[in-house]
Amino acid sequence: DSGVTQTPKHLITATGQRVTLRCSPRSGDLSVYWYQQSLDQGLQFLIQYYNGEERAKGNILERFSAQQFPDLHSELNLSSLELGDSALYFCASSDRNTIYFGEGSWLTVV
Amino acid sequence: DAKTTQPPSMDCAEGRAANLPCNHSTISGNEYVYWYRQIHSQGPQYIIHGLKNNETNEMASLIITEDRKSSTLILPHATLRDTAVYYCIVRVANSGNTPLVFGKGTRLSVIA
Repeated sequence: DSGVTQTPKHLITATGQRVTLRCSPRSGDLSVYWYQQSLDQGLQFLIQYYNGEERAKGNILERFSAQQFPDLHSELNLSSLELGDSALYFCASSDRNTIYFGEGSWLTVV
Repeated sequence: DAKTTQPPSMDCAEGRAANLPCNHSTISGNEYVYWYRQIHSQGPQYIIHGLKNNETNEMASLIITEDRKSSTLILPHATLRDTAVYYCIVRVANSGNTPLVFGKGTRLSVIA
């Protein structure tokens, strides 16, 4: 158990819809990262927040957005969903040295 | 882009040592070598990291060459549960603010 909690674990939704994925980082970790892993694809970095502020942006689509709240939990919002957005979405948090990953949220768009 | 090169796949007999190589010839002086693994569709799991000295923990050993251009992750007694994709990543540490950039990794198959 990494200490990073993600909800929901599984989600099925229709094209065009919007979903929100939630992440609770490890206690005390200020940085939160979001990654996407499509079927048979590698882990793609989407976005990072540090203590409520956006710190780094990767391959995140304009239809996707994220935020980190004062209690340090984070949400990833995915809108106008397409079939190709079906993937595993991982959240991670870090101390000064090491990044720890949650178990992911499976999103299926039908 | 990933700054490391790893073989796409390796096999290892159960109970034997698994030695996973990684080349990182362009590593900078302030970059550490990190190893993670991902067991099928689970979250990536941190294994070990090091700067220039060899490191060992309860999971594995990390051997870094003196010129730091390559390293080897050693799982001393591989079990079937060690079957996973192993990622070697270079990253500036002690900042807490640098994302991990994953390459394709090495798919290790431990065979009974």
